Amino acid sequence: GQQLNQSPQSMFIQEGEDVSMNCTSSSIFNTWLWYKQEPGEGPVLLIALYKAGELTSNGRLTAQFGITRKDSFLNISASIPSDVGIYFCAGLFSSNTGKLIFGQGTTLQVKP
Amino acid sequence: DAGITQSPRHKVTETGTPVTLRCHQTENHRYMYWYRQDPGHGLRLIHYSYGVKDTDKGEVSDGYSVSRSKTEDFLLTLESATSSQTSVYFCAISRGGTDTQYFGPGTRLTVL
Repeated sequence: GQQLNQSPQSMFIQEGEDVSMNCTSSSIFNTWLWYKQEPGEGPVLLIALYKAGELTSNGRLTAQFGITRKDSFLNISASIPSDVGIYFCAGLFSSNTGKLIFGQGTTLQVKP
Repeated sequence: DAGITQSPRHKVTETGTPVTLRCHQTENHRYMYWYRQDPGHGLRLIHYSYGVKDTDKGEVSDGYSVSRSKTEDFLLTLESATSSQTSVYFCAISRGGTDTQYFGPGTRLTVL
């Protein structure tokens, strides 16, 4: 099946540091999404990207839709303890079905 | 929070028994989805629905069936549970195929 390669798998950083994670695919997507999941909860949408080259921010988070439409990255600036969680990228192929393909996730831990 | 509830939230069952998980929404969204989440795999789509009585398979549909007899409810059934179906199951909803998917809180299923 289709796969997204998300890296890194995990990060352990100091509070205040910047974080960067990315997703790549062999296929072209129409939409890239970034979700965050906290323990015991479902994923929550952070940022949605709809056009190649698009750069979108949401507070300390910035994400970009790659020019080739096969990749995306997420940056978190000045990390804080509540940034802890699992971050997932997801790509949307078809506009008719809403089928999302998820990356494997990046587990982020922040040391105060 | 989007009005999505899942029941039960936790279930332990034995191999060979039938299991039904329920997703209920109060948002009147057309699309509903069932995902499973396993370590190292992110979230994978099992089945989805694009309207009452309209359903289709996702990437990991073997061993699962779904039904949607009304807009607000989407049922996932494991006809004869196996240990490989031990997982956390998430329901999601969206207004349309290109719209943001909102996730429920999840159901943790253990098959012994």
